[in-house]
Amino acid sequence: AQSVTQLDSHVSVSEGTPVLLRCNYSSSYSPSLFWYVQHPNKGLQLLLKYTSAATLVKGINGFEAEFKKSETSFHLTKPSAHMSDAAEYFCVVSDLDRWAGNMLTFGGGTRLMVKP
Amino acid sequence: DAGVTQSPTHLIKTRGQQVTLRCSPKSGHDTVSWYQQALGQGPQFIFQYYEEEERQRGNFPDRFSGHQFPNYSSELNVNALLLGDSALYLCASSLNNYGYTFGSGTRLTVV
Repeated sequence: AQSVTQLDSHVSVSEGTPVLLRCNYSSSYSPSLFWYVQHPNKGLQLLLKYTSAATLVKGINGFEAEFKKSETSFHLTKPSAHMSDAAEYFCVVSDLDRWAGNMLTFGGGTRLMVKP
Repeated sequence: DAGVTQSPTHLIKTRGQQVTLRCSPKSGHDTVSWYQQALGQGPQFIFQYYEEEERQRGNFPDRFSGHQFPNYSSELNVNALLLGDSALYLCASSLNNYGYTFGSGTRLTVV
């Protein structure tokens, strides 16, 4: 079984300061890991994904995440927050080795607030 | 290039009624998955369709059913609606589980 825990339900940063959104996962197989962003009343947009290649993954809008197998973590970072980054962020795991479905399992979400 | 299209965008139903939600996948995609996102929570997997068959199902009662058509579009049906079924329903398409693209969702309110 796979699961995801997002360690903070809310994170507040000032514009121009670093962002850290924390995620721990559990998976029985070799996982694929994703971060999605959801702006109010919008669908989900893929920020980045890890699929067993490089452990440091670069995504869109300056975000990146590091896969640490020993810590079962996949934290999302950005060096400098922008007002437009304010949104809900979801960490997602999917088991790679299971053919039948590869469903996505979402964490509970972290709401990022950016103060001017 | 059109992405994933869901209809309707908003819907209000009464308890006990039935509802059908529709999804057109991104061009070139053959797999459709449905997710339920309750307010303030992460999306939860309902089921996935591939080659017109349900390939995997999450922990949802059989009041939730679906269908995939030969053109890969899909429907989600919910019978005997409960207040707790109020949520944002998201459709995601992929090419056999690679490269998920999500639609903007259907907001269902059950009163």
